[in-house]
Amino acid sequence: EVQLVQSGAEVKKPGESLRISCKGSGYSFTSYWISWVRQMPGKGLEWMGRIDPSDSYTNYSPSFQGHVTISADKSISTAYLQWSSLKASDTAMYYCARRGSRGNYVAFDIWGQGTMVTVSS
Amino acid sequence: DIQMTQSPSSLSASVGDRVTITCRASQSISSYLNWYQQKPGKAPKLLIYAASSLQSGVPSRFSGSGSGTDFTLTISSLQPEDFATYYCQQSYSTSVTFGQGTKLEIK
Repeated sequence: EVQLVQSGAEVKKPGESLRISCKGSGYSFTSYWISWVRQMPGKGLEWMGRIDPSDSYTNYSPSFQGHVTISADKSISTAYLQWSSLKASDTAMYYCARRGSRGNYVAFDIWGQGTMVTVSS
Repeated sequence: DIQMTQSPSSLSASVGDRVTITCRASQSISSYLNWYQQKPGKAPKLLIYAASSLQSGVPSRFSGSGSGTDFTLTISSLQPEDFATYYCQQSYSTSVTFGQGTKLEIK
């Protein structure tokens, strides 16, 4: 079965660092980009950025550039999203998603189950 | 960034109704438009890609149309399991963007 499995929920204090993970299985991990998507409580979906696991090349949304870091370890088929200093406004559900292709078109065809991050003093 | 605007933001309908949701892009995106369904507490699910192609396993009551800047998602006969939030998403640019969502509620 093709799936992305994310790490569990986190509760952190402002200023702390955090890294969450997304492990792919059932497919060639290096053949598909992985994106991260934020969903704040009661709000819509926001694309944060993506990584090509084959070479770790990244692109970020201007809204998130400099605030988070996306990385990957292809030896264990895992992508990461990390913060060096969390803020209360980082409280959200975070999804990883696989960028699948159909001819010239691409879409997020496989999603992780989500990781809830709560930042509170 | 390309802005995606959905309408309406919310919609009440009954089982069996035909429903249409609209998505408009701030510039032409050809057919690089996808639709997702999200149920409470769950990850989004891909329904339609390339504006009108049905993702494998998605019921045929879902259909998409449009190109350029204007797109629609139609559900031909609402089923109880279709009450959810729907998002459009453009994949024309490297920096992808989503619409704000349309919440489909039971009347």
